[in-house]
Amino acid sequence: NAGVMQNPRHLVRRRGQEARLRCSPMKGHSHVYWYRQLPEEGLKFMVYLQKENIIDESGMPKERFSAEFPKEGPSILRIQQVVRGDSAAYFCASSPGGVHEQYFGPGTRLTVT
Amino acid sequence: DAKTTQPPSMDCAEGRAANLPCNHSTISGNEYVYWYRQIHSQGPQYIIHGLKNNETNEMASLIITEDRKSSTLILPHATLRDTAVYYCIVRVARTSYDKVIFGPGTSLSVIP
Repeated sequence: NAGVMQNPRHLVRRRGQEARLRCSPMKGHSHVYWYRQLPEEGLKFMVYLQKENIIDESGMPKERFSAEFPKEGPSILRIQQVVRGDSAAYFCASSPGGVHEQYFGPGTRLTVT
Repeated sequence: DAKTTQPPSMDCAEGRAANLPCNHSTISGNEYVYWYRQIHSQGPQYIIHGLKNNETNEMASLIITEDRKSSTLILPHATLRDTAVYYCIVRVARTSYDKVIFGPGTSLSVIP
């Protein structure tokens, strides 16, 4: 069973461009979580999705950030008009629901120049 | 979710047991203790969790005090690959809503 997959692993964007980060959960997992880790800071929860539904987006910035988890395909975290402060590692985690542990992917490192 | 307190850093000699403490004095009866770790630049990794009984798996042991106000994660024979930040988290595990709130954790350095 392959683990949580994230791509790209590294992404460089210029200020004002859009960044699209993809997360493929583990097989059979219908719950996806996105976390952000700013340089020298801890992991911060952003959003929790189930298939086609956003369950909790309390950690998402109010503007420029959006997330989706369609019926088919990976979950997407989209950042519009990126700024230098968006430079961070973005981690995705998945779980089948009803269990205690979440399984994390290797992360996408976004650099905004 | 209850707040946890961990030492910011610890050292451990390779081959010895690493004992990582965590205080959670405001824990509620329905809150679990979880441990995750993050090896440098990698995604966090689930280690173990418990409610009130001691737990052991292939990675570690979790000792929870009888009053549940503190716990200790034990890595029985630490290796260099165990160097990581270890997070102690207390939360209610609800089947439909279970985000993880990470604190600053303990940075464990395993020394040759």
